[in-house]
Amino acid sequence: GQQVMQIPQYQHVQEGEDFTTYCNSSTTLSNIQWYKQRPGGHPVFLIQLVKSGEVKKQKRLTFQFGEAKKNSSLHITATQTTDVGTYFCAGLPDSNYQLIWGAGTKLIIKP
Amino acid sequence: DAGVIQSPRHEVTEMGQEVTLRCKPISGHDYLFWYRQTMMRGLELLIYFNNNVPIDDSGMPEDRFSAKMPNASFSTLKIQPSEPRDSAVYFCASSLLFGTGGRYEQYFGPGTRLTVT
Repeated sequence: GQQVMQIPQYQHVQEGEDFTTYCNSSTTLSNIQWYKQRPGGHPVFLIQLVKSGEVKKQKRLTFQFGEAKKNSSLHITATQTTDVGTYFCAGLPDSNYQLIWGAGTKLIIKP
Repeated sequence: DAGVIQSPRHEVTEMGQEVTLRCKPISGHDYLFWYRQTMMRGLELLIYFNNNVPIDDSGMPEDRFSAKMPNASFSTLKIQPSEPRDSAVYFCASSLLFGTGGRYEQYFGPGTRLTVT
């Protein structure tokens, strides 16, 4: 079946260090979405990427969509405690309207 | 807009009891999704509806689970009988197929934390 693999599962960083999570789809996507879930909260939409090779920025967050529209990444520069949470990618295949979710990457700030 | 509303927020029940979770999607949204989240299995799609019609229920774990959407503003997820392994957070989400700028983002409710003892 269609899958979206997301790595790593966890990333421990010192505050101020960078963080990156990667997603790779088994099928071409019409778009990919990113969500953030704070501890104890619910997933909240961050952004959607649609075009091949697209790069979008939200302050310290940079989102990329691969040229083949099968992979994507989220990079956070100079992490802050407010960035703590789990980041999910979710891809929308060309063939239907059901999002395929990655397993999420949990960002943990070392004390 | 009040967002997606779920009730109850917490539910503790004994094994064998019936559990009903409720969801009110955002007005005007034409898709509704039920998810389950656990540490072990992550976020799992259970079922989704389009215009109140169930489209894909392949994620429903077994016959003990059922979901209905009698109208555009209400959906239920029922577990009967409940088992301890059903303990999880259950999210409802809604979306609009042709949203602003062609965005299809899902709006999640706060979730129902279910504990089955």
